[in-house]
Amino acid sequence: QSALTQPASVSGSPGQSITMSCTGTSSDVGGYNYVSWYQQHPGNAPKLMIYDVSNRPSGVSNRFSGSKSGNTASLTISGLQAEDEADYYCSSYTSINTRVFGGGTKLTVL
Amino acid sequence: QEQLVESGGGLVKPGGSLRLSCAASGFTFSDYYMSWIRQAPGKGLEWVSYISSSGNTIYYVDSVKGRFTISRDNAKSSMYLQMNSLRGEDTAVYYCARERRGYSYGYEYWGQGILVTVSP
Repeated sequence: QSALTQPASVSGSPGQSITMSCTGTSSDVGGYNYVSWYQQHPGNAPKLMIYDVSNRPSGVSNRFSGSKSGNTASLTISGLQAEDEADYYCSSYTSINTRVFGGGTKLTVL
Repeated sequence: QEQLVESGGGLVKPGGSLRLSCAASGFTFSDYYMSWIRQAPGKGLEWVSYISSSGNTIYYVDSVKGRFTISRDNAKSSMYLQMNSLRGEDTAVYYCARERRGYSYGYEYWGQGILVTVSP
């Protein structure tokens, strides 16, 4: 039950696009199209941004998109805005029916 | 509107016990898988346990197996986490969260979180 691997931090300027990664194994990220992404602002509960690798819940901006290749999932945010500055976590279903989160990526909007 | 509200947190000594509750409203609780997810101070999210809609299927992260017990009462639209033999590393904000239905994965709704502090 090892955590998924995410970069500790990424940054970008307003209007730019950034992509952050989430690397697992064939027993989690690579084995299923069950990867989700969460945005968490300080002091708040996480918010679901992407489910099932690339689907956006109702109300989430289409500036957020998800994808997957092999054992690595990615979250792309286009047209960066100041309010996107937050911590982002990926999560995956696993082959032993558990769930696992990544360590989180801090996004800084310069 | 869907809502999840945790309660039961607080300060407890190492080796002690605590029972968390999660009260759900605004949706048919018995239709959904539910999970407990925690976040240690300044750290990332850690999935702790989930329980199926009927309560028949339960899984835990290795670090809490044998110490924590998840349960639910669909008649009361509530989920619980009985935490025994608590350790310092269990100190965290505990969130209850609702999973998406069917063959889909993501936590759509989260509670506000409840702080559990394990300290002498």
